[in-house]
Amino acid sequence: AQSVTQLDSQVPVFEEAPVELRCNYSSSVSVYLFWYVQYPNQGLQLLLKYLSGSTLVESINGFEAEFNKSQTSFHLRKPSVHISDTAEYFCAVSDINFGNEKLTFGTGTRLTIIP
Amino acid sequence: ETGVTQTPRHLVMGMTNKKSLKCEQHLGHNAMYWYKQSAKKPLELMFVYNFKEQTENNSVPSRFSPECPNSSHLFLHLHTLQPEDSALYLCASSQSVLGELFFGEGSRLTVL
Repeated sequence: AQSVTQLDSQVPVFEEAPVELRCNYSSSVSVYLFWYVQYPNQGLQLLLKYLSGSTLVESINGFEAEFNKSQTSFHLRKPSVHISDTAEYFCAVSDINFGNEKLTFGTGTRLTIIP
Repeated sequence: ETGVTQTPRHLVMGMTNKKSLKCEQHLGHNAMYWYKQSAKKPLELMFVYNFKEQTENNSVPSRFSPECPNSSHLFLHLHTLQPEDSALYLCASSQSVLGELFFGEGSRLTVL
């Protein structure tokens, strides 16, 4: 069985400040890791993913996440946030053998950007 | 139209009603999913269809009945629901069960 913990349900950040959204997981098998973003009144969109290789992965809009196997973490970071980053962010983990059939989401972190 | 489309976007129903949610994907994907999104809870995977065959049913009550007539369409038939079933129901698709999920905007269901 797998589980995902997003410790912060809400994170307010001033515009142009850095942000880190935390994600920890537990699993007895090898996993893939994902961050999905949900903008207001929309469905979820894939932001970035770790499947294998380099432990640091980046998105096209400046977010990055680092897979830390020893700490079982996959924290999401951005050095300078913009108003358009206001959204809810979901960390997710899947069993590499079953993929989306065993995809587990966290409870989400609502990121609010303060002008 | 592109992507994943869900209808209706909003639905209010009584506990004795029967209604259906519809999902259509225009991405040529082979797998489709129903998720339930409730406040303060993780997304709950309800059903998975891979090549029109149901491959996962996460102990969902029988008052929710899925139907997948082809790889592009997915329905969720609702009957005798409870108020606690009020939630946002999200449909998603992926090329395969190992691929990236593409979500629709959801159907907001309120059960009175």
